[in-house]
Amino acid sequence: QKEVEQDPGPLSVPEGAIVSLNCTYSNSAFQYFMWYRQYSRKGPELLMYTYSSGNKEDGRFTAQVDKSSKYISLFIRDSQPSDSATYLCAMKGGAQKLVFGQGTRLTINP
Amino acid sequence: NAGVTQTPKFQVLKTGQSMTLQCAQDMNHNSMYWYRQDPGMGLRLIYYSASEGTTDKGEVPNGYNVSRLNKREFSLRLESAAPSQTSVYFCASSLGAWTEAFFGQGTRLTVV
Repeated sequence: QKEVEQDPGPLSVPEGAIVSLNCTYSNSAFQYFMWYRQYSRKGPELLMYTYSSGNKEDGRFTAQVDKSSKYISLFIRDSQPSDSATYLCAMKGGAQKLVFGQGTRLTINP
Repeated sequence: NAGVTQTPKFQVLKTGQSMTLQCAQDMNHNSMYWYRQDPGMGLRLIYYSASEGTTDKGEVPNGYNVSRLNKREFSLRLESAAPSQTSVYFCASSLGAWTEAFFGQGTRLTVV
């Protein structure tokens, strides 16, 4: 079993929809959680960074961590075609290596 | 502000050839990493350098070597390229070991 599981999709939604992207993990030591966005033929860029449980909001993006369920989510409100990209979750505990999910390919249709 | 710069952006090699992928960062970061990204496999860590003067193996180090030339530069060498090394290679850096990583634009390598 992989330490981090992420549905690779692809996920296709209409413009303006609320998008939910998710990852599950098995390592209870994970405390730091990140979401990266990767446009086609580009490198990943850090989108959201959260520590421990709870929610963090940044504009149209909300990152949610539920440590009891070992489940993290990224919500995108009022989705735009420019949000079309691959979204990767990443997480770590303490000084441990960063572990990435497989990435979910998202397409927002105008 | 350039961030993390990788060269070359594209490369085609014949099986058995060698090459070095270059990476430089201008953010005064201490840690640097090399990943490869393959369809369905996500990002896999090849080697990393937690600080200048140190390097360690990651998840898939076989067939690769690295050099942390100085604080700014971290190179990845393929001594004898194989078709299985066809991939997109990303260099990344972070201020501290395993803190938020910043990625370069990638090198698309094809081995024929």
